[in-house]
Amino acid sequence: GESVGLHLPTLSVQEGDNSIINCAYSNSASDYFIWYKQESGKGPQFIIDIRSNMDKRQGQRVTVLLNKTVKHLSLQIAATQPGDSAVYFCAEGSGSYDKVIFGPGTSLSVIP
Amino acid sequence: DAGITQSPRYKITETGRQVTLMCHQTWSHSYMFWYRQDLGHGLRLIYYSAAADITDKGEVPDGYVVSRSKTENFPLTLESATRSQTSVYFCASSESGYQYNEQFFGPGTRLTVL
Repeated sequence: GESVGLHLPTLSVQEGDNSIINCAYSNSASDYFIWYKQESGKGPQFIIDIRSNMDKRQGQRVTVLLNKTVKHLSLQIAATQPGDSAVYFCAEGSGSYDKVIFGPGTSLSVIP
Repeated sequence: DAGITQSPRYKITETGRQVTLMCHQTWSHSYMFWYRQDLGHGLRLIYYSAAADITDKGEVPDGYVVSRSKTENFPLTLESATRSQTSVYFCASSESGYQYNEQFFGPGTRLTVL
């Protein structure tokens, strides 16, 4: 299940299940969104992006959904694996990195 | 080594001391960035650079100084460290300043200011 920890919300899923990680973004003018994965002790790593003229984009085992009406972004991970355990965070922007806003993230824990 | 590297990986210092965090990339990317990451907060941009000798402030520049004399290096200096600068610092690089060019992050430097 999902719970809000002391610092980061956490999501625990069983290996093989699908994971859904949510992100509420703040600026209705944002038109470019990125999901990052950050493993413990490492830097963030790009997973997938989506532009505001799309509402869905698929990658390898991941799907990002964008709902501009409610300013909501979600990342779906299919058949979650232990290697998916990490912090996931979204970033919203209007094209240039100097104006990007990063979310605080959700910690995903995969139970073997 | 190819990619983007940061040094040191861990640093403990005292209030008032000067500290320099190093960042080196081997891709010849034009843009480089410095972020800080604090628990419960998203990454926050400190400074960025569009090219050698071109730098600009980000969201939280106070207390930090950067330079970029060579394309591949982008050091970050805390001139007089304060406890509030205890954080994990990430350097990143990108071909351009636009989000459609992927940003690559270094492994981070964990800085503790006592």
